[in-house]
Amino acid sequence: QVQLVQSGSELKKPGASVKVSCKASGYTFTSYAMNWVRQAPGQGLEWMGWINTNTGNPTYAQGFTGRFVFSLDTSVSTAYLQISSLKAEDTAVYYCARDLYSYGHTPLGYWGQGTLVTVSS
Amino acid sequence: QSALTQPASVSGSPGQSITISCTGTSSDVGGYNYVSWYQQHPGKAPKLMIYEVSNRPSGVSNRFSGSKSGNTASLTISGLQAEDEADYYCSSYTSSSTLEKVFGGGTKLTVL
Repeated sequence: QVQLVQSGSELKKPGASVKVSCKASGYTFTSYAMNWVRQAPGQGLEWMGWINTNTGNPTYAQGFTGRFVFSLDTSVSTAYLQISSLKAEDTAVYYCARDLYSYGHTPLGYWGQGTLVTVSS
Repeated sequence: QSALTQPASVSGSPGQSITISCTGTSSDVGGYNYVSWYQQHPGKAPKLMIYEVSNRPSGVSNRFSGSKSGNTASLTISGLQAEDEADYYCSSYTSSSTLEKVFGGGTKLTVL
């Protein structure tokens, strides 16, 4: 069965960096794109972008360029989200989510449990 | 402000049916049959309930159904149950140059 297991909660100071991991199992990692979704406290879902797990090419949504970096380690079937120069407004739960199928405009079929990143001095 | 517009809340009694709307534009909901719906219980990850307007993933109850007319998509839940109380989000592919997927602001479903 498909599983996405994310790293644990993080508490960071403004200006620091954080790296969230998303370990996949139960399928061929490089066959499905991985997306990242942000949910600020009490707010809705916001699509951040996706990474092609075959080529490593990332695509960032508007508002998530510059400080946000998607990366992979295919040897351990893991996707990463790194956020630098953290700000208080980056406080949110970050989800990784796998495309339901491997082609076309696919919905987000499988989700990690989420990682809470708190930015506070 | 979200790209897709949903009502903030809806409610219904057990056994009743409710419908949640999701309004977009011809660049997203109206232009493509790539509308999805997600259910999110408090403190949990979202779960895909409907994709490509009206398809249900394996394991999702047939009490959940989706449809679309023009720029508005709808999620209908029939035979409401207490466990259906959750937040529901619509999403669509968009031809915007800066996005590929957009979400609605979410709708809180209360089962009375």
